[in-house]
Amino acid sequence: QQPVQSPQAVILREGEDAVINCSSSKALYSVHWYRQKHGEAPVFLMILLKGGEQKGHEKISASFNEKKQQSSLYLTASQLSYSGTYFCGTEVGGSNYKLTFGKGTLLTVNP
Amino acid sequence: DVKVTQSSRYLVKRTGEKVFLECVQDMDHENMFWYRQDPGLGLRLIYFSYDVKMKEKGDIPEGYSVSREKKERFSLILESASTNQTSMYLCASNPPPPGRNTIYFGEGSWLTVV
Repeated sequence: QQPVQSPQAVILREGEDAVINCSSSKALYSVHWYRQKHGEAPVFLMILLKGGEQKGHEKISASFNEKKQQSSLYLTASQLSYSGTYFCGTEVGGSNYKLTFGKGTLLTVNP
Repeated sequence: DVKVTQSSRYLVKRTGEKVFLECVQDMDHENMFWYRQDPGLGLRLIYFSYDVKMKEKGDIPEGYSVSREKKERFSLILESASTNQTSMYLCASNPPPPGRNTIYFGEGSWLTVV
């Protein structure tokens, strides 16, 4: 089952902040975040693991609430290069690392 | 450098044809994936393989099969292509537990079925 992402789309001016949410109906072991530019492959941003370990990008942060089965990606002081579609991927415990992605959030950053 | 290579970027096939999409990774990863990407639907998992000859159905396996005879190669097979399988297909790989790591994606294969 795909995780649910919100919002579906967001438009920002350069320098503004954004939050993208990802929620699952199942208990999660890990959450991954990826960004995809048009016509390109998705690129890794961050992994959040059950128990609090986090690996990722310097300028982008995220949280993982295991009890609520939710994760949020925080984009601060957005740059034009942040534009793209953001996907969260979720791993359910015991799934042998099978990763299921949401439908994506289209982020547009304007000058 | 990490590399997941999909052999065909753009294909046009006729309805009913058998289609092979090939993917090779050079990172000695156990796990490999095939996703389908459609506008508004995101990335949907078709099949997943966690070892040679081992496979597991994803969320949308109908109309597809896979083959993993060697660790580095994971093939997606459309036994009889249909127009509703026109899409972009992404292959990916990553190492297994313990320790979670990034998934590496290929460039994608754009398939049009006419």
